[in-house]
Amino acid sequence: DVKVTQSSRYLVKRTGEKVFLECVQDMDHENMFWYRQDPGLGLRLIYFSYDVKMKEKGDIPEGYSVSREKKERFSLILESASTNQTSMYLCASNSPNTGELFFGEGSRLTVL
Amino acid sequence: GENVEQHPSTLSVQEGDSAVIKCTYSDSASNYFPWYKQELGKRPQLIIDIRSNVGEKKDQRIAVTLNKTAKHFSLHITETQPEDSAVYFCAPGGFGNEKLTFGTGTRLTIIP
Repeated sequence: DVKVTQSSRYLVKRTGEKVFLECVQDMDHENMFWYRQDPGLGLRLIYFSYDVKMKEKGDIPEGYSVSREKKERFSLILESASTNQTSMYLCASNSPNTGELFFGEGSRLTVL
Repeated sequence: GENVEQHPSTLSVQEGDSAVIKCTYSDSASNYFPWYKQELGKRPQLIIDIRSNVGEKKDQRIAVTLNKTAKHFSLHITETQPEDSAVYFCAPGGFGNEKLTFGTGTRLTIIP
């Protein structure tokens, strides 16, 4: 069974803090994605990666960066958290041979 | 980029009746058309998908129909049951190493 694990389910941070969200998948998937989910806005793509050390900007990359040093791990970094980054963050992975995205359980971030 | 519109945003259906959700997209190059279901507090999961060389696909009570000329595809749920209550997202895009753009979601409520 495919497993995508996000390290933190709930985080509370202060404005200006640096935030790391970690995601690990165990299915040897090449592709990994970070989305944020907000009510009424659906899932919006922040960054994605097709391979180790590769990254591509999604639709809303401003204020975020990512790191993919190993195939199974994709990290989302908020260099200086702001209140408008309070959201649910979802990591996902898939193989280029199948379209299906496998999601983690999500990390709910609150920035005070 | 892809512009995706999903309608309706909310839908209430009597148990046993049918539900239809429509997704309109802008990018004529899109060739992959999935639907995801997200139950309350859970991760999104793929329920059905279709490739652009097929006009319709059915899996038990759910089906997806595609009109490439008009650039829209629809999710059909027949004989609805309480467990169908969830938020449904369309996510048209490319297959393989391509990003998907999610719609804003449809909250489906099945009335017992």
